[in-house]
Amino acid sequence: AQSVTQLDSHVSVSEGTPVLLRCNYSSSYSPSLFWYVQHPNKGLQLLLKYTSAATLVKGINGFEAEFKKSETSFHLTKPSAHMSDAAEYFCVVSAFSGGYNKLIFGAGTRLAVHP
Amino acid sequence: IAGITQAPTSQILAAGRRMTLRCTQDMRHNAMYWYRQDLGLGLRLIHYSNTAGTTGKGEVPDGYSVSRANTDDFPLTLASAVPSQTSVYFCASSVSAQETQYFGPGTRLLVL
Repeated sequence: AQSVTQLDSHVSVSEGTPVLLRCNYSSSYSPSLFWYVQHPNKGLQLLLKYTSAATLVKGINGFEAEFKKSETSFHLTKPSAHMSDAAEYFCVVSAFSGGYNKLIFGAGTRLAVHP
Repeated sequence: IAGITQAPTSQILAAGRRMTLRCTQDMRHNAMYWYRQDLGLGLRLIHYSNTAGTTGKGEVPDGYSVSRANTDDFPLTLASAVPSQTSVYFCASSVSAQETQYFGPGTRLLVL
């Protein structure tokens, strides 16, 4: 069975400092992994996805994530936080089972960015 | 290109009333989905449709029904709303059943 654990429910950083949002996954086969971002009162926007190509995945807005099979991790990073990055971030694993593509969401990490 | 639109943006509904949430996509995606988002529970799949004319049940289908008469539209109906259906509802679509899902802006529903 597939599952996702986001290790931090809240992360707070200062503007201009690096961002690290941690995600561990469990999957019985090579997974497809995603990071989505949700700004307050908005829908979910796809940041990036991993689908067994390059292990370092670059996304929008300067975010990237590295797939580490040995550590079953897919942490999201950004070198320099911007105020507009304040949002909730979801790590997601997909599993095609029972005739449909099931997205399994982590509980989310709320990122706060301080001036 | 609008992507996915949902209507209404928000709604307050009396318990027992019938309500249809609308979802339209203009990307010609074959697969569409309905999720609900609840605090502490993340997003859970209600119903899905892999292609026009077909639908299936997700994780939490009870109290909801869907139809997929054409490629673009995927309405979600609450036949008789209950307070536990208070939630934020997201529609999503993907090119095909195994491809990346893209989400609409959501509908906030309060059932009193």
